[in-house]
Amino acid sequence: GAVVSQHPSRVICKSGTSVKIECRSLDFQATTMFWYRQFPKQSLMLMATSNEGSKATYEQGVEKDKFLINHASLTLSTLTVTSAHPEDSSFYICSARAGQGTGDTQYFGPGTRLTVL
Amino acid sequence: RKEVEQDPGPFNVPEGATVAFNCTYSNSASQSFFWYRQDCRKEPKLLMSVYSSGNEDGRFTAQLNRASQYISLLIRDSKLSDSATYLCVVKAGNQFYFGTGTSLTVIP
Repeated sequence: GAVVSQHPSRVICKSGTSVKIECRSLDFQATTMFWYRQFPKQSLMLMATSNEGSKATYEQGVEKDKFLINHASLTLSTLTVTSAHPEDSSFYICSARAGQGTGDTQYFGPGTRLTVL
Repeated sequence: RKEVEQDPGPFNVPEGATVAFNCTYSNSASQSFFWYRQDCRKEPKLLMSVYSSGNEDGRFTAQLNRASQYISLLIRDSKLSDSATYLCVVKAGNQFYFGTGTSLTVIP
């Protein structure tokens, strides 16, 4: 299957700092990437859909000014958690949509575990 | 009503058992269907796509019933390593809809 990388895999930061997470599709071009958040023992929650070259579409209840998304190229999307607080601690997972030739489904990155102290 | 619904379980089955999960979807225009597997504290991984005629991959069989709007996953001869959460995913248009997942634990 297609490969998606995510960096960093784990980050611990102080409250008030900003954290940037990168998501890359390594062997395919992804016009659409998705950002999810998952709290312990809960299901995936879609935060936003990121389209290359245009503004991200945020789900209801997700603050666009707090979770900045940039999808500057067909292989890279970034999520910046601005002024992080302890309640932002979570498992952040990106996925990239592969095209028809590769099943037109989503492939997930390995996730970033964010802990805000 | 949720777009995709799954029984969260948990399903606790002995090794070697056969277990089946169902998933229902609400949008009759949905065109693609998938099963993902998510291990604890890991990302979801694509297990298999679900085709209209049904498809099999080793011990795993997926089926689609468009009339009743459900998909199923059958796991035969369960292994300990099958313990995970199984996510049903339905694609309608450009949107992907995830079920909440069904938890499976295979017991020695």
